[in-house]
Amino acid sequence: DTGVSQDPRHKITKRGQNVTFRCDPISEHNRLYWYRQTLGQGPEFLTYFQNEAQLEKSRLLSDRFSAERPKGSFSTLEIQRTEQGDSAMYLCASSLAGREGLRNEQFFGPGTRLTVL
Amino acid sequence: AQSVSQHNHHVILSEAASLELGCNYSYGGTVNLFWYVQYPGQHLQLLLKYFSGDPLVKGIKGFEAEFIKSKFSFNLRKPSVQWSDTAEYFCAVNAWNAGNMLTFGGGTRLMVKP
Repeated sequence: DTGVSQDPRHKITKRGQNVTFRCDPISEHNRLYWYRQTLGQGPEFLTYFQNEAQLEKSRLLSDRFSAERPKGSFSTLEIQRTEQGDSAMYLCASSLAGREGLRNEQFFGPGTRLTVL
Repeated sequence: AQSVSQHNHHVILSEAASLELGCNYSYGGTVNLFWYVQYPGQHLQLLLKYFSGDPLVKGIKGFEAEFIKSKFSFNLRKPSVQWSDTAEYFCAVNAWNAGNMLTFGGGTRLMVKP
């Protein structure tokens, strides 16, 4: 399968614990995005990377959220001191930025469903 | 800030009925527009996209959408739905001055009765 993959698919944790999710983009894609989707809502943009550079992070929900893409390939999203309100589906997407600049199609992974007890 | 509205939250149709799902966005500049579909248990998939040119775009599985700039709309249509079209549909917008952020509508859950 050459699509976007995410691990784990499901995570149950207790309030106050830290969690980390991984995303592997499509191999030739240089842009990687994180979104959050809560029940009954559309995905909400969190942050994105071009190669290893994090170009937009102002939409991260709080300072408990952080993301990395150290080698420009896979990315991790960490939530520290989880709260019940963090329960959601966390989606990763990737795209290939070309000469058309912003005209890039984002391909989504299956998501990681987080439940905070 | 850009926003996207999908006015129909739930739609129930019988097979062979025609479908139109509304999508309106608020942003005055140049936009790229998308419709994504999420079938039960599956991840988001691109249905169709508009970047420029002919405002009537055709996507997969017989879907099409029309960009009407004066109405800030990008409605999704299909002349005859099938049971397999049961899914959730999301409209999304990328404004040219908003980096690579996609702004999604709240989604429309479509149920097609056999």
